[in-house]
Amino acid sequence: NAGVIQTPRHKVTGKGQEATLWCEPISGHSAVFWYRQTIVQGLEFLTYFRNQAPIDDSGMPKERFSAQMPNQSHSTLKIQSTQPQDSAVYLCASSLDNWNTLYFGAGTRLSVL
Amino acid sequence: GDSVTQKQGQVTLSEDDFLFINCTYSTTTYPTLFWYVQYPGQGPQLLLKVTTANNKGISRGFEATYDKGTTSFHLQKASVQESDSAVYFCALLNTGGADRLTFGKGTQLIIQP
Repeated sequence: NAGVIQTPRHKVTGKGQEATLWCEPISGHSAVFWYRQTIVQGLEFLTYFRNQAPIDDSGMPKERFSAQMPNQSHSTLKIQSTQPQDSAVYLCASSLDNWNTLYFGAGTRLSVL
Repeated sequence: GDSVTQKQGQVTLSEDDFLFINCTYSTTTYPTLFWYVQYPGQGPQLLLKVTTANNKGISRGFEATYDKGTTSFHLQKASVQESDSAVYFCALLNTGGADRLTFGKGTQLIIQP
């Protein structure tokens, strides 16, 4: 069991460029979550899917952020027109049974210059 | 909305010292409470879960207890080791309200050899 796999581990973009972050959940897990981690804000919920369907995206900044889960083996988080304040570690997690135990990936560190 | 307050940003101890980290929470219903631990370069991983039914959880030498009267829960360990150096997060799942896991800001535990 390789755990939750996130790629890339580090991504550097210029201001205004697009960034796509990838997540491969643990096989058989039905729920996938995205969080953003910064020193100032800590762990912030962004969105989550259950059985590939979007359930709650209330934590997503509306205009530039989007998330998809086209199949059970991967999810993507896309940030359009990246801004310096988007710099953070983006964490993906999966779970067998919704919120009871989340298994996090190592995260993607996004740096917007 | 739900909130979790973790005031201790950093705790520095020596090996074999007693560890105590406290969290307070605010929610309108009966929560399930969690402690997650994050080692450098990794995502958070579940350490302990405490429900209102059992009031206590124990794992890997750590003990978590919950006090409904003071709406607080804490993490303790009798004798810390250098390998316990990590960031510890408390988290709240509001089982009757918004379906999400809300994290505290984290406590960095530094163990001096």
